[in-house]
Amino acid sequence: GAGVSQSPRYKVAKRGQDVALRCDPISGHVSLFWYQQALGQGPEFLTYFQNEAQLDKSGLPSDRFFAERPEGSVSTLKIQRTQQEDSAVYLCASSLRTGREETQYFGPGTRLLVL
Amino acid sequence: DAKTTQPPSMDCAEGRAANLPCNHSTISGNEYVYWYRQIHSQGPQYIIHGLKNNETNEMASLIITEDRKSSTLILPHATLRDTAVYYCIVRVVGNEKLTFGTGTRLTIIP
Repeated sequence: GAGVSQSPRYKVAKRGQDVALRCDPISGHVSLFWYQQALGQGPEFLTYFQNEAQLDKSGLPSDRFFAERPEGSVSTLKIQRTQQEDSAVYLCASSLRTGREETQYFGPGTRLLVL
Repeated sequence: DAKTTQPPSMDCAEGRAANLPCNHSTISGNEYVYWYRQIHSQGPQYIIHGLKNNETNEMASLIITEDRKSSTLILPHATLRDTAVYYCIVRVVGNEKLTFGTGTRLTIIP
């Protein structure tokens, strides 16, 4: 079956521009996660949804970052007034249920470059 | 989440077993050990996880020491496609997120 898909795969933005990154999780998956991966580093947690509810947004670096999942499936990560330090790969993951043994399945990521 | 320590890089000859160590000396009794890998330009891929018993699946084996303070991921017959960064993660109960470190960059040598 289809895995997690993300679009666009690459995005170049000018500093100050707003961007929106889309994640299509695996159909039926309850949990959805966003991670940010800087060059040469491991992914870092941004936020987590259970269905449409955003249960943890402790990793969002500033109030310029906003995520939503209004119908409990597709999610969008929005970054307002982008800055150069926002350049990174943004990864989305989904899992079937919640719980400590649930496997997260990752998408290929969106590579954002802010000039 | 408990902190993990991994060597930054390792090499392994193609066809040999790759043994990747991970130290997690502060692990709690109800925390699971997870392994993911990330091939260049792809998202992380789940490999295996365990609590205290050794585990095996079609990809790898996970050996956890009796005191649970360290573990080893074993790829039994490494191929060039196993070249990737391997992350050892300790996942705390009730915490849905994964906390990645910097991982081990494994290079399979032809």
